[in-house]
Amino acid sequence: AQTVTQSQPEMSVQEAETVTLSCTYDTSESDYYLFWYKQPPSRQMILVIRQEAYKQQNATENRFSVNFQKAAKSFSLKISDSQLGDAAMYFCAYRSGDYGGSQGNLIFGKGTKLSVKP
Amino acid sequence: KAGVTQTPRYLIKTRGQQVTLSCSPISGHRSVSWYQQTPGQGLQFLFEYFSETQRNKGNFPGRFSGRQFSNSRSEMNVSTLELGDSALYLCASSFPRPGTSGRATGELFFGEGSRLTVL
Repeated sequence: AQTVTQSQPEMSVQEAETVTLSCTYDTSESDYYLFWYKQPPSRQMILVIRQEAYKQQNATENRFSVNFQKAAKSFSLKISDSQLGDAAMYFCAYRSGDYGGSQGNLIFGKGTKLSVKP
Repeated sequence: KAGVTQTPRYLIKTRGQQVTLSCSPISGHRSVSWYQQTPGQGLQFLFEYFSETQRNKGNFPGRFSGRQFSNSRSEMNVSTLELGDSALYLCASSFPRPGTSGRATGELFFGEGSRLTVL
């Protein structure tokens, strides 16, 4: 069975600084997706960034980028120029490959609570 | 475009009762998944519906059930509630990536959740 591990329950960063959140996963599959989702306090979860396993290039979305190390099964999230609005729970998630139109199910890590200090 | 809508947002039940939660996906989305979020267990997959058919089911007892209607709206039901069922229940919808024979994009759009408290 696939597992996702986030070893940092809490992290803190100074506004405008850079922070990296760690995630490791375990799978025997070759076709899969990895995600980082953000869940602000009392607000809905939103997708931050997505990586498809067959793509060598690390995904980037504005201030958010990932370091995808497939062999090491590592998928860390880097947030540059941190802003107060980045404070939230961040979840790393794994999903198996194509389900023929369905989305399958996501396996989530336990999350990392990120605080941003002004 | 309206987001994923879940009702009710908050509810309190007592042990032994049953509850039905509703989820309206984003217009055009055909996949609906349900997740249970608790402080101890984190986010756990309950089940997924696609075109009114249950496609996947997580490791939950038979007290947890769901269905999807022809308009893609979904409901989940929990019977004989237990204290441990207290949780935030999240619904998420998704749309297959256009032009790729229905391969899902992988992006889930979540609702704000239904917070269930069992006393």
